[in-house]
Amino acid sequence: GAGVSQSPSNKVTEKGKDVELRCDPISGHTALYWYRQSLGQGLEFLIYFQGNSAPDKSGLPSDRFSAERTGGSVSTLTIQRTQQEDSAVYLCASSLAGGEIQPQHFGDGTRLSIL
Amino acid sequence: SQQGEEDPQALSIQEGENATMNCSYKTSINNLQWYRQNSGRGLVHLILIRSNEREKHSGRLRVTLDTSKKSSSLLITASRAADTASYFCATGIIFGKGTRLHILP
Repeated sequence: GAGVSQSPSNKVTEKGKDVELRCDPISGHTALYWYRQSLGQGLEFLIYFQGNSAPDKSGLPSDRFSAERTGGSVSTLTIQRTQQEDSAVYLCASSLAGGEIQPQHFGDGTRLSIL
Repeated sequence: SQQGEEDPQALSIQEGENATMNCSYKTSINNLQWYRQNSGRGLVHLILIRSNEREKHSGRLRVTLDTSKKSSSLLITASRAADTASYFCATGIIFGKGTRLHILP
């Protein structure tokens, strides 16, 4: 079956512009996660959605970052007024349910470059 | 702070040799997971070990967990060129910085 799909795969934009990154999770997965990965580094947790519960936004680095998940499926991560330090790979993952026990299934990420 | 910290940061071995990577964590856990990431791709789940388990096998992978030392190890036996990747341990949403494994032909 289809895995997690992210778009665009690459995005280059100028400093100060807004960007939207999209994630299509695996059908039926109720949990969805966004992470940021800088070059050669580990994953930095950003935000977590589980079903209809309020999202865990504890990892968002600033108020320029926001995310929504419509209809419990597709999610969009928005970065406003981008800065050069926002350059990274943004990874989305989904799992069958929330909690630590479920393996996360990752997309291939969006590589964001801020000029 | 990082929950999982892998050691070593990078490892190069000859094809056919065994590769061992270690992970340490700080707080109590219910389980620990290992993932692999090929260059330019997303992470792929390899194996999960629960806190009441000490060792788990999956094919050429062997994972151990020592909750008293808050550490885990991932052993890949009879390594292959296709094993070249970065390997991460994770507890829930907290991932380590990974070990970059390079298998030399």
